[in-house]
This record gives sequence, C-alpha cells and structure tokens, in this order.
Amino acid sequence: GQNIDQPTEMTATEGAIVQINCTYQTSGFNGLFWYQQHAGEAPTFLSYNVLDGLEEKGRFSSFLSRSKGYSYLLLKELQMKDSASYLCAVRDRSGNTPLVFGKGTRLSVIA
Amino acid sequence: DVKVTQSSRYLVKRTGEKVFLECVQDMDHENMFWYRQDPGLGLRLIYFSYDVKMKEKGDIPEGYSVSREKKERFSLILESASTNQTSMYLCASSLLSPDQPQHFGDGTRLSIL
Repeated sequence: GQNIDQPTEMTATEGAIVQINCTYQTSGFNGLFWYQQHAGEAPTFLSYNVLDGLEEKGRFSSFLSRSKGYSYLLLKELQMKDSASYLCAVRDRSGNTPLVFGKGTRLSVIA
Repeated sequence: DVKVTQSSRYLVKRTGEKVFLECVQDMDHENMFWYRQDPGLGLRLIYFSYDVKMKEKGDIPEGYSVSREKKERFSLILESASTNQTSMYLCASSLLSPDQPQHFGDGTRLSIL
C-alpha cells in the first residue's frame, strides 16, 4: 500500500522558522514534490527532491532522506501570507505515473 | 506561465443530472488529471490521461468518466450525479517527464442537491 503522513495542523509566529515533516511508505520512489495551497485556491508547486539532501529556494528549503522515507519543508522568516496548506506528494514508480498526495498540513502564521 | 482553466468556479446541479466539467491547458502538456478534494481526505485522483483518447483510472473512478478528444482539453463527466459527489474538483496538467510538476486549475466547487 501507499501511505503519506503529514501533521494536520501547525501554528507558528511571524518571523520564525517552521519545519513541516512528511513521511512516506510507498512501494517505490521516484521523486517528492511540495505544493502550497491557499484557502480556496489551486495548489502551486514549491519544490522537487529526488536525491538525498537539501534544496534551497529563497525562504523555502526542502530536504529528502530516501533511506528514512522522510522529507521536510523548511520555511524561514515566516510571513502572514505563508498561512496555507502544504501538500507533500510522492511519485512511487518510475515512468509517467501519477503523484500520491498526502492530506496536507494547514499552517497558521500568527503575529 | 502555464495556464490551466476550468470552465466553472461554482456549479450547482440536481441529483441524477449528467454533469460535465471542462478543463483546458495552454502549454501542450501530455498529461492531464482530475482530482477531487474533500476536507480530511486530501486530493484523490479520479482519472488521468497521458495522450489524446487515452485514459487511466485513478483511485476513485466510480461514478465518473472522462473524455480527451484534443490534447489541450480533458473533460470529467458525472454520469448521474449523486449528493456524495459534492466536492471541490481540481484539474491538473504536466509534461511527461517525471521531474516535472503538475500545474493546477483554480477548481470547480460542485454542489449536488
């Protein structure tokens, strides 16, 4: 079976750093994506990891450990506009196969 | 920028009606997808297509069908709408390469009364 786990909700303070974890148990692995989704809007692509290590993109970074089935999204210098749901998605097979999405983590940034 | 356009943002239909949801993308993407998104359940894949006239069942295809007559257009059909199909429906498209992300439309919030 396939299982992707993320915390349901998190709260963090403006200006702080927050780490959103994602663990996966899938039959295979061929890449992991993070998406951001504001309430009532479409998910938008944030990052992609296929090799172990950290990928940095401005205030956002994403880390992957394939041996542990684990990824995290790190958001620095939090802003109010970062309040959104963050979706972790795994491609569990090689080739052109659909992503398997986690249920998402709703992040609330407070002043 | 990739543009994925869904025909309606909000739609209200009656039980038993045949419902069509349309999705068009302008970036010549091979793959197109239909998801539904429900609170507590996340994104669930209904159907996807990797080429014109090709379709593959996702995790929850029951009660739905799809049509892809042209590369840019992917239609989701509710053959006989039921109240448990009330949901947010999201269309997405992507290139064939596995490292390419999916791009989503704004969604259609469908209510079946």
